Amino acid sequence: AQTVTQSQPEMSVQEAETVTLSCTYDTSESDYYLFWYKQPPSRQMILVIRQEAYKQQNATENRFSVNFQKAAKSFSLKISDSQLGDAAMYFCAYRRRSGGGADGLTFGKGTHLIIQP
Amino acid sequence: DTAVSQTPKYLVTQMGNDKSIKCEQNLGHDTMYWYKQDSKKFLKIMFSYNNKELIINETVPNRFSPKSPDKAHLNLHINSLELGDSAVYFCASSQAGGHAEAFFGQGTRLTVV
Repeated sequence: AQTVTQSQPEMSVQEAETVTLSCTYDTSESDYYLFWYKQPPSRQMILVIRQEAYKQQNATENRFSVNFQKAAKSFSLKISDSQLGDAAMYFCAYRRRSGGGADGLTFGKGTHLIIQP
Repeated sequence: DTAVSQTPKYLVTQMGNDKSIKCEQNLGHDTMYWYKQDSKKFLKIMFSYNNKELIINETVPNRFSPKSPDKAHLNLHINSLELGDSAVYFCASSQAGGHAEAFFGQGTRLTVV
C-alpha cells in the first residue's frame, strides 16, 4: 500500500519570503500522480499543483513550483513571494495511474502554513 | 456554477439517529468519492464509485453506505450515528485518465451529540 508522509506539522514564513513544504511517499507503482492541495479556513480543498510521474520536468503554477525527485520519492512544494492568502493547511496526495482513479487519493497528514505579516 | 456541491454544510444530530449527506457533480466525471477528515485534519478515503464498481475502504463501518441514483450523484447514508462519527465529510469527483485531479465539495461538518 502506498503512504504519503509530510514531516512538517507546521511552518511559518514572513510575507514575501519563500517557503518549501516537504513530502515523501512510498509506492511500488512506476506511474502515478502527485498533488498538492490547499485547505484554507473555509475548509474548501483547492488543487495547487499536479505532477505526473512520467514527466521529468517539475510542474510550476505561478508562484508555486515543485521539486520532484522520483528516485528519492520526494515531492516538495516551493511557494515564492508568500502572501497572506497562502495561509492554509497544505496536503500532499498520491494517486496511482492504473485503475482509473478507483483507489482515490492517499493524503499526507498536512502542513499548517502560517504567513507572518 | 458549483462543480461539486454537497448538502448540508453543517449537520448536528443525536447518537443513534440515521442521516444522509447529498452530493452532486456537474462536471460529467465518471468516478465519485467520499472522504472523511478527522479532528486532526487527516483525510482518508471511504468509498469510490463509478457506474461499474463500488470500492469500499475496509476500515469503514457498514453503518455507512453510499447510494448513487445516477452518475452525477453519490449520497452518503449513515445509520445509528455514534460520537466517533463526528468529522468533516467531503464528496469529490474525478475523471478516469485525463489530468486525474479530484474536485472536492465544500464539506459537511457532522457533529454527533
